[in-house]
Amino acid sequence: KQEVTQIPAALSVPEGENLVLNCSFTDSAIYNLQWFRQDPGKGLTSLLLIQSSQREQTSGRLNASLDKSSGRSTLYIAASQPGDSATYLCAVKFVAGANNLFFGTGTRLTVIP
Amino acid sequence: DTEVTQTPKHLVMGMTNKKSLKCEQHMGHRAMYWYKQKAKKPPELMFVYSYEKLSINESVPSRFSPECPNSSLLNLHLHALQPEDSALYLCASSQGSPGTGIYGYTFGSGTRLTVV
Repeated sequence: KQEVTQIPAALSVPEGENLVLNCSFTDSAIYNLQWFRQDPGKGLTSLLLIQSSQREQTSGRLNASLDKSSGRSTLYIAASQPGDSATYLCAVKFVAGANNLFFGTGTRLTVIP
Repeated sequence: DTEVTQTPKHLVMGMTNKKSLKCEQHMGHRAMYWYKQKAKKPPELMFVYSYEKLSINESVPSRFSPECPNSSLLNLHLHALQPEDSALYLCASSQGSPGTGIYGYTFGSGTRLTVV
């Protein structure tokens, strides 16, 4: 059964800190993994897409890594800002069940000025 | 144009009303999706259209009726909804058919639906 888990459920950090969000998945046979950001009551904004053959992707202050064999991905945010406050969702496209994205329950991040 | 546009942004409807949600993309994506998201929960898949044909219906009640008039448009027709159907409805698209694994998804900003 394909499952995606995100820890922690909530995280509060002071502005300027570097932080790591975690995502784990139960089946290493994946096509890709995508990190999204969601502001309250809004849609999902894609942050990074990592293909199964890749180890990491970077965009600005964001870096996502993928370790398929251990079923883990991390999203690293450098020099956090209050504008980074949002819920971060990890979504996995498994080889079995490729018609759907499997979402984690998200990490709600608050960056305190 | 790299966006998925959803209208309306907010909708309040009575249980006897008929309404429609609309979704549009001009990225040439051939797969389009409807998701439902309840508060503090991840999105749940409702329907998948691949090349304008319904390919997946995740056992959604018949009071939700999807329609894909062409490759750029996706509608969700609503009729006789229940208060528990109140949620954020998200549209998404991806390049290629859903089973083609390498493509990411682009989501719209959603329609906040309240059923009274």
